[in-house]
Amino acid sequence: DAMVIQNPRYQVTQFGKPVTLSCSQTLNHNVMYWYQQKSSQAPKLLFHYYDKDFNNEADTPDNFQSRRPNTSFCFLDIRSPGLGDAAMYLCATSTVYNEQFFGPGTRLTVL
Amino acid sequence: GENVEQHPSTLSVQEGDSAVIKCTYSDSASNYFPWYKQELGKRPQLIIDIRSNVGEKKDQRIAVTLNKTAKHFSLHITETQPEDSAVYFCAAGDNFNKFYFGSGTKLNVKP
Repeated sequence: DAMVIQNPRYQVTQFGKPVTLSCSQTLNHNVMYWYQQKSSQAPKLLFHYYDKDFNNEADTPDNFQSRRPNTSFCFLDIRSPGLGDAAMYLCATSTVYNEQFFGPGTRLTVL
Repeated sequence: GENVEQHPSTLSVQEGDSAVIKCTYSDSASNYFPWYKQELGKRPQLIIDIRSNVGEKKDQRIAVTLNKTAKHFSLHITETQPEDSAVYFCAAGDNFNKFYFGSGTKLNVKP
């Protein structure tokens, strides 16, 4: 089945220790997004790729970076995780003018 | 940037009753308005969407209305069932499908 896959589903890291979250898709969508969702809050857009063009949200901290080496994969790098970065990270994909499909998310815990 | 406000934050209805969730948006350039349902611990899933060239759209028990002049749109669920219990998010987006979520409504349908 075509889908959006996120790995790992659960990630535990230590304060300040870099971590990378992975997203892959078999939908061949040209747009990929990363959202941060904290408990009982709405998903907050961090950045998105339109093909290879990277679009950062103005209020996304510099601590968050992203890479998209090809159409299928997109990575979220958190360079120095703080306690406030503990959240669910959702990847989504879409084609232009169409709905976004979300992955199952990676729950990040920072100790 | 776009600012989406959503009300109410919680909504409790009796099974079989109707539920209405309302959202307003600020950016007149927004032209795509999806609604997502998120069950506890699961990914957001699209339940219905509407584009700015349409005033109303219906899919079985779910309908969405859009008033572009007033910049507000609403989700209507009729004949609610316990399985409708979830958090519902509205969103408003632009031509490149970048959209911003409202703060969410926790719907509780009591049997």
